[in-house]
Amino acid sequence: EADIYQTPRYLVIGTGKKITLECSQTMGHDKMYWYQQDPGMELHLIHYSYGVNSTEKGDLSSESTVSRIRTEHFPLTLESARPSHTSQYLCASSEGQRGALEKLFFGSGTQLSVL
Amino acid sequence: KNQVEQSPQSLIILEGKNCTLQCNYTVSPFSNLRWYKQDTGRGPVSLTIMTFSENTKSNGRYTATLDADTKQSSLHITASQLSDSASYICVVSDRGSTLGRLYFGRGTQLTVWP
Repeated sequence: EADIYQTPRYLVIGTGKKITLECSQTMGHDKMYWYQQDPGMELHLIHYSYGVNSTEKGDLSSESTVSRIRTEHFPLTLESARPSHTSQYLCASSEGQRGALEKLFFGSGTQLSVL
Repeated sequence: KNQVEQSPQSLIILEGKNCTLQCNYTVSPFSNLRWYKQDTGRGPVSLTIMTFSENTKSNGRYTATLDADTKQSSLHITASQLSDSASYICVVSDRGSTLGRLYFGRGTQLTVWP
């Protein structure tokens, strides 16, 4: 079992609210990721981090922001949620050594519904 | 354009039967290919990894194959169990950067009926 945790599991909020999705891992991994997954579709990378104080935008344009102040913690924040943000958000981590055969460890996800 | 295509989109089989899932990719250059299993309401979990030089690899009842020439991989499940019901995702990594980029398929939704 992967030691990577996401909270909350489910979140239903109204339009315009600010939300933070939490992600923590206890494996000491340098690399962490946020993916967005819609039913029947591929995972899309929205943010990633190589380590503390490192954050990068992914392939999918996103209005969310992330921070990496501690190795184990990688929260994702939406300043003003909209119905288009309704989706499943998956956090992942990996050991991140250059050239490694990268294996991702995923959390159980947060299912976000914006009304 | 680098892509990963999986087939079939969904599959229903009876418990105890075998099945094969397909993954075709156009990712180049190629580093490795992983199969992940995603149970409903959970995150994906790695089943196996295939590198360029590997043709076949087994993990219990799961056997993955790779044909790097035709850019095809398959995941064969033997003697299926109800717990095999899940989405199976093919993920291909390139060697285009030192950190590699991952390309995800849309998955095959497998349902095993008793």
